[in-house]
Amino acid sequence: QQQVKQSPQSLIVQKGGISIINCAYENTAFDYFPWYQQFPGKGPALLIAIRPDVSEKKEGRFTISFNKSAKQFSLHIMDSQPGDSATYFCAATFNDYKLSFGAGTTVTVRA
Amino acid sequence: EAQVTQNPRYLITVTGKKLTVTCSQNMNHEYMSWYRQDPGLGLRQIYYSMNVEVTDKGDVPEGYKVSRKEKRNFPLILESPSPNQTSLYFCASSYRGGAYEQYFGPGTRLTVT
Repeated sequence: QQQVKQSPQSLIVQKGGISIINCAYENTAFDYFPWYQQFPGKGPALLIAIRPDVSEKKEGRFTISFNKSAKQFSLHIMDSQPGDSATYFCAATFNDYKLSFGAGTTVTVRA
Repeated sequence: EAQVTQNPRYLITVTGKKLTVTCSQNMNHEYMSWYRQDPGLGLRQIYYSMNVEVTDKGDVPEGYKVSRKEKRNFPLILESPSPNQTSLYFCASSYRGGAYEQYFGPGTRLTVT
């Protein structure tokens, strides 16, 4: 049973457009929410992360929005570029040891 | 270069033949973890280790064993592999735990026939 539900499974966006990936969770004990980016043939790599005491975090073109009351968080990729084409995973942890991942979203940016 | 290495990268084996996938990190990280990646299911944690001789089950531990005798190494053992363990496996390490940046290895593609 997936503890973090991620949608959509895939999305296609034009270059310069905005990509939005959503994640939802049930366990209110979760206290750290990272996003990982994975390119084909590679292991995932940390992209950006947020803690629930913050509603938004921005790093370059990547922004996490966090809604604690709705138990949802999302990744926005602004000005999407072909190099952003990858699979994105949201994740959550609460005891600092176990990490639960979403099912992943494959993003394709068309030039 | 800071890295996590896994061996082998590709493995085809038969049902029931014991195998070990090695994982090593050179960053002196306390935390190491194994994941399997399957289409539509994302990454699922198999086992993790908080430090030497300290391990615990993740979400899908059945059919797997681990050990952590040295800080740098965290091998994954399949004592009697079955076809449902065909998957892409990743080892990862971090400074202390899941709430710290995890560094992933390149992956091991395992096929059990």
